Amino acid sequence: QITLKESGPTQVKPAQTLTLTCTFSGFSLSTSGVGVGWIRQPPGKALECLAVIFWDDDKRYSPSLKRRLSIAKDTSKNQVVLTMTNMDPVDTATYYCALLSSTWEEHRYYDYWGQGTLVTVSS
Amino acid sequence: DIQMTQSPSSLSASVGDRITITCRTSQSISSYLNWYQQKPGKAPKLLIFAASSLQSWVPSRFSGSGSGTEFTLTISSLEPEDFATYYCQQGYTTPYTFGQGTKVEIK
Repeated sequence: QITLKESGPTQVKPAQTLTLTCTFSGFSLSTSGVGVGWIRQPPGKALECLAVIFWDDDKRYSPSLKRRLSIAKDTSKNQVVLTMTNMDPVDTATYYCALLSSTWEEHRYYDYWGQGTLVTVSS
Repeated sequence: DIQMTQSPSSLSASVGDRITITCRTSQSISSYLNWYQQKPGKAPKLLIFAASSLQSWVPSRFSGSGSGTEFTLTISSLEPEDFATYYCQQGYTTPYTFGQGTKVEIK
């Protein structure tokens, strides 16, 4: 059974750094083709991909947020950590982590998601 | 980034209706297109990947088609549990961008 769960602060102040942890089970981030991504959703708005880390430690970021994001994995702990610097109220959103799977033709999709964690940026 | 444009942004329909949602991309992505369903307060769920491949849990009233820059999600006969927001996403290149969503509401 594959599960993912996000953890971290529910509230941060403007200019602070947000650190979120995704703890997963049921798959290995050492398996070829696998990735774990972070996606966020402001209240009432659409989904936005933030970052993804692949089994081979390849890291990809949203170009518009790249300067503020960092993603890392700890394969032994089955965790992926996302940090986002210089938080602003517009970053208030539900943050999801999700398993990125791939077909043999390299069709990639997020087929398992965490429940999400709402992060509010407010002083 | 590849831009994703869904239409309509919302629609009202009745149980039993056939509906179609369109997703257009700013560049060709072959068939690297996914569809998700999201209900209020819940995480998105993968419905369709590779433009037309249904996840195992998805009823056959759902179908996806298209390639290149234009894709469609069709529900042949709406059921009460289908009222939700639907998102397309391209899996062609990072960042794996999403459309803005289509909210399907009960008429």
